[in-house]
This record gives sequence, structure tokens and C-alpha cells, in this order.
Amino acid sequence: GIQVEQSPPDLILQEGANSTLRCNFSDSVNNLQWFHQNPWGQLINLFYIPSGTKQNGRLSATTVATERYSLLYISSSQTTDSGVYFCAVERGYSTLTFGKGTMLLVSP
Amino acid sequence: EPEVTQTPSHQVTQMGQEVILRCVPISNHLYFYWYRQILGQKVEFLVSFYNNEISEKSEIFDDQFSVERPDGSNFTLKIRSTKLEDSAMYFCASSAGTTPYEQYFGPGTRLTVT
Repeated sequence: GIQVEQSPPDLILQEGANSTLRCNFSDSVNNLQWFHQNPWGQLINLFYIPSGTKQNGRLSATTVATERYSLLYISSSQTTDSGVYFCAVERGYSTLTFGKGTMLLVSP
Repeated sequence: EPEVTQTPSHQVTQMGQEVILRCVPISNHLYFYWYRQILGQKVEFLVSFYNNEISEKSEIFDDQFSVERPDGSNFTLKIRSTKLEDSAMYFCASSAGTTPYEQYFGPGTRLTVT
């Protein structure tokens, strides 16, 4: 099956810093989604981005499908950004395969 | 904005008991999914459901598990005889089945088997 690798596995930032999270995948995909898992365990949809670039406030994402990677940018990080960020991809039209996530801790 | 809902938010059960986790997908969506996440691990696919039948399932989804769409709105996951290792967060998701193929996740049910 398709492999999804996320890096870095852990990241510690000071509030206000910027960061880039990476997701590599092993095959062509028709769906790529970024999620934020909050401290209560909920998965929050951040982006649906099988290709191209999107922005939502302080967050933006870019997927280069031909090179099989996606990047999630967090600018001016806040303590509420802490949590685990998951990348998930779908090769066919059914199941999402998740990476292991990047655990982000933003300290005040 | 439409959202996927799940009940209960937390369920505690004893080993060997049956549990039913409930989900209400987004109303015009056609594809439904269950995923699970054991504490500290990544989210794993369990099963997908379309047109009133299972379209795909993982090796995790053995005979202890079943899914059903009993009416036009609910989508359920049943675990027949729970084991300690079934303790996890269970997420329901739905998608429209047409582009964009985005899956929308519910808030999850935390299942604790004692």
C-alpha cells in the first residue's frame, strides 16, 4: 500500500515562530488532507489539497503532486496551535492512509 | 456548516460486552467510513460503506466488527465482544463521492474496555 512519511516527528517552538511540516508519499494520489488533532482528540480538517497551494489565515499548504510531497506552513505560531498534525492521502477513491503525525508544542 | 456527529463521546465497557457506536454523516454524502486510533498511534482505516454495503475493509475489521445503516441518517459500528485492545478513539467520516473527494470527520468516540 501507499506509504506516508511525516517530518519532523516532534517540534518545539516559541510563540510567534514560523514552522514547516512535511509529508512525503510513495505514489500518486487523488486526495491529500491535513488535519490538526487537538488535545481532546478531535481531528480538525485543515486543508483538502491534492495539488497546488491554499491559505487559511496563518496556515497555508502546498502540494507538489509530481514530486509526491506536501508542506504545511504555520506562521506566527500560537499556543493553541499545539497538538498533532496529520497528513493523509487517498490513492483510489475510498480510504485515507495517515502518516504518523508531527507533534507540535508551542510554548509561551 | 454541515458536520458529522458521533455518539457517545466516551463509552466505557467491560471486556466481552457488545458496543454500538453511532454516527450521523453529512446528509447528502454517499460514502461512509470508520477509522480508529489507538492512543499515541496513527489513525487507521477500518471500513468503507457505499450503497448499503461494505466497499472496502482492512485486516483489522474482522468478524467481531459489523457496520450498518439502519435508516436514512445513522451509520453504526458494532463490536460484538470487546477486547482490551479495542480501546481506542473511533472516528466516523463521510464524503460526497464526487470531486472534491474530501472526507469529513466526526469528533470521535473514545472507547475504553476494562
